[in-house]
Amino acid sequence: SAVISQKPSRDICQRGTSLTIQCQVDSQVTMMFWYRQQPGQSLTLIATANQGSEATYESGFVIDKFPISRPNLTFSTLTVSNMSPEDSSIYLCSVSGTGDYNEQFFGPGTRLTVL
Amino acid sequence: AQSVAQPEDQVNVAEGNPLTVKCTYSVSGNPYLFWYVQYPNRGLQFLLKYITGDNLVKGSYGFEAEFNKSQTSFHLKKPSALVSDSALYFCAVRGYAGNNRKLIWGLGTSLAVNP
Repeated sequence: SAVISQKPSRDICQRGTSLTIQCQVDSQVTMMFWYRQQPGQSLTLIATANQGSEATYESGFVIDKFPISRPNLTFSTLTVSNMSPEDSSIYLCSVSGTGDYNEQFFGPGTRLTVL
Repeated sequence: AQSVAQPEDQVNVAEGNPLTVKCTYSVSGNPYLFWYVQYPNRGLQFLLKYITGDNLVKGSYGFEAEFNKSQTSFHLKKPSALVSDSALYFCAVRGYAGNNRKLIWGLGTSLAVNP
């Protein structure tokens, strides 16, 4: 299984600012995913990030609000732009290998509070 | 459309008793099914998966799950619950292979094991 780290682990931000979350994996992976999760609730997929191509965003999420970078096979960033209190959530990074049957492995998450 | 249902928001069980966390799914084609656990203030951990083969799948921490194609179910089970099993459990499904490896997530079931 992959070991995934995220930075920061938590942050408190002011309305209107932006925060960039980093996701680092200890091995090369093809697909990385960014999720949002309200505490105690289910996961909502924001986007899928493949190395060397534009991220694919889910309905309700746009690149201007959640720009994603994927410069190599072990690293990705998600930026939450022009934040509002509604963006307060836990942001999770996950990875999946190249096989069709591979499960996803998750980072510890970034807990974001927007005031 | 693909979907996953976890019909119980919360399951309560006494320590030492068997536990079941229910999951039903709807996909086109053969399902790839997964169970994850999330302990308080932690990221998601992979428990087990069903891809093909034996309907009874064994996973981490003594958990197992039974795939039932006719009932489109994939219930998570453990013969003897521990207090430390108290956590949030998520069922997820992929309906097909290919480049799109998105998972469809259930809403989660909170398991409380009482001493």
